[in-house]
Amino acid sequence: QKEVEQNSGPLSVPEGAIASLNCTYSDRGSQSFFWYRQYSGKSPELIMFIYSNGDKEDGRFTAQLNKASQYVSLLIRDSQPSDSATYLCAVTGGGGNKLTFGTGTQLKVEL
Amino acid sequence: ETGVTQSPTHLIKTRGQQVTLRCSSQSGHNTVSWYQQALGQGPQFIFQYYREEENGRGNFPPRFSGLQFPNYSSELNVNALELDDSALYLCASTFQGAYGYTFGSGTRLTVV
Repeated sequence: QKEVEQNSGPLSVPEGAIASLNCTYSDRGSQSFFWYRQYSGKSPELIMFIYSNGDKEDGRFTAQLNKASQYVSLLIRDSQPSDSATYLCAVTGGGGNKLTFGTGTQLKVEL
Repeated sequence: ETGVTQSPTHLIKTRGQQVTLRCSSQSGHNTVSWYQQALGQGPQFIFQYYREEENGRGNFPPRFSGLQFPNYSSELNVNALELDDSALYLCASTFQGAYGYTFGSGTRLTVV
């Protein structure tokens, strides 16, 4: 079982729609949860981090965490073509500050 | 503009050679990590340094080694390069893990 699992996609949504990206993790000791966006050929860019159960909103982005279900998600409202990228879920904790990444979900926002 | 810089941006090496990749961390960040990202995969943790001491290592052989310097710059050294070492190498820094890691632009290593 992979430590952090994501659907590789591609996930296609029309412009203006809500994109929902999901991630599950296996280590119940995980403490911090991150979403990174990575454009092709570029390095990961931090979008959101969340530590506590519930929702955290930042502009068009909402991160949701459910530690009981070991599930974290990212919602992108009013999706734009510029949101087309690979979204990486990462967790830390349980064994130090190292980031453990999923394989990423490719998002395509279509005109 | 990211506060973490890496050099070189691209590198081609021959199997069996050695390579050194460099990273300059964001000011105030005392923790630096190195990751290897193969095509189509998420970054894989290589090791982490905190105040010049290695304080975590992933599942990578000893031929992957590193250093962190007092000015928070760091190096990743890879000996006896193998074809499978071809990947994007990412440096990331943070202040004790708070608020996530900032990644550099990466070094694309190709081993032929």
